[in-house]
Amino acid sequence: DAGITQSPRHKVTETGTPVTLRCHQTENHRYMYWYRQDPGHGLRLIHYSYGVKDTDKGEVSDGYSVSRSKTEDFLLTLESATSSQTSVYFCAIKGTGFGENSPLHFGNGTRLTVT
Amino acid sequence: DAKTTQPNSMESNEEEPVHLPCNHSTISGTDYIHWYRQLPSQGPEYVIHGLTSNVNNRMASLAIAEDRKSSTLILHRATLRDAAVYYCILRDFLTQGGSEKLVFGKGMKLTVNP
Repeated sequence: DAGITQSPRHKVTETGTPVTLRCHQTENHRYMYWYRQDPGHGLRLIHYSYGVKDTDKGEVSDGYSVSRSKTEDFLLTLESATSSQTSVYFCAIKGTGFGENSPLHFGNGTRLTVT
Repeated sequence: DAKTTQPNSMESNEEEPVHLPCNHSTISGTDYIHWYRQLPSQGPEYVIHGLTSNVNNRMASLAIAEDRKSSTLILHRATLRDAAVYYCILRDFLTQGGSEKLVFGKGMKLTVNP
């Protein structure tokens, strides 16, 4: 499982509340990603990180912020959750072995429901 | 962004070979073709990738057309565990960090019949 742990695995929250999802890796990989998956849309990139304190936006970053204060943790924050952010969130890390073509390894996801 | 086209779904029978097609007519010369699959209630997992030559690994084979406008993922003997959504993806570089964004489409659902 490439040493990726997402927490929590499930969360139900109310509209307008802040939510933070955590992705923890144990293998010191440089690149980490947050994706969301919704029916009919496949996986879409929210934010990614290419090192400690180095992050950038993906294709659906509005309403989300991220932080990476240490290599092993990549946090995704919904400052004020909305129902449109109900989704399954996947964290991924870029592995090694193929240089720039190294595959991504995904966590098992966090199912977030905003009521 | 380079895009891929896959059938929405396919069916196969257990222990038979399965050929999963992917079209990518706008592929650029330096785009690699990646395949991932997603089992129910799990995150996607890497299957295989290639540039021009056919590739084999323990999970599957990847056959790439000579003009690179299409490719085929080959599962040599499908098992029930191979039932998943399969994604054919072209690599796309992000703006910073020298990393890459894998743009996942909707994928193709493979059903394996016992």
